Amino acid sequence: EVQLVESGGGLVQPGGSLRLSCAASGFTFSSYAMHWVRQAPGKGLEYVSAISSNGGSTYYANSVKGRFTISRDNSKNTLYLQMGSLRAEDMAVYYCARGAVGPAAKNWYYMDVWGKGTTVTVSS
Amino acid sequence: DIQMTQSPSSVSASVGDRVTITCRASQGISSWLAWYQQKPGKAPKLLIYAASSLQSGVPSRFSGSGSGTDFTLTISSLQPEDFATYYCQQANSFPPTFGQGTKLEIK
Repeated sequence: EVQLVESGGGLVQPGGSLRLSCAASGFTFSSYAMHWVRQAPGKGLEYVSAISSNGGSTYYANSVKGRFTISRDNSKNTLYLQMGSLRAEDMAVYYCARGAVGPAAKNWYYMDVWGKGTTVTVSS
Repeated sequence: DIQMTQSPSSVSASVGDRVTITCRASQGISSWLAWYQQKPGKAPKLLIYAASSLQSGVPSRFSGSGSGTDFTLTISSLQPEDFATYYCQQANSFPPTFGQGTKLEIK
């Protein structure tokens, strides 16, 4: 079964740091680009970050650029999101998602498998 | 960033109804559009990609159309399990951006 399982969420003070993990199983992790998407309480989906299949390219939304770092360990089938200088507006459920594959270069922007999410709470 | 605007923000309908949700991009995105379904407390689920291609396992009552800036998601005959929030997402340029969502409620 194709599965993504996030972990690492929790309560952190403003200005603090947190590292999220996403464990992948049931597919060849190293063949897929991966994404992080978040959802603030009662709000819509907001794109956060992406990483290429080999980890050589990373991408960030302007709202997190310079504060968050995406990485992956293909030997461990795990995706990470290191979050720093956290703000109240970073409070959300964070989902990892798999980029789709296909003949077109932009297919990986589609997210075809999602984890259940991990909750980050930023509060003093 | 490309802005995605969905309408309506919410819609009430009955089982068996035909429902259409629209999504407009702030600039042309060709057919680089996806639709997702999200139920409360659950992760989003990919329904449609490339504007009109049905994701594997998704019932055929879901269909998508459009290109350029205007897109639609149609559910031909609503089933009880279809009541959820629907999001469009552009895949034309980074960052991928989502619409604000359309909540489909039971009338």
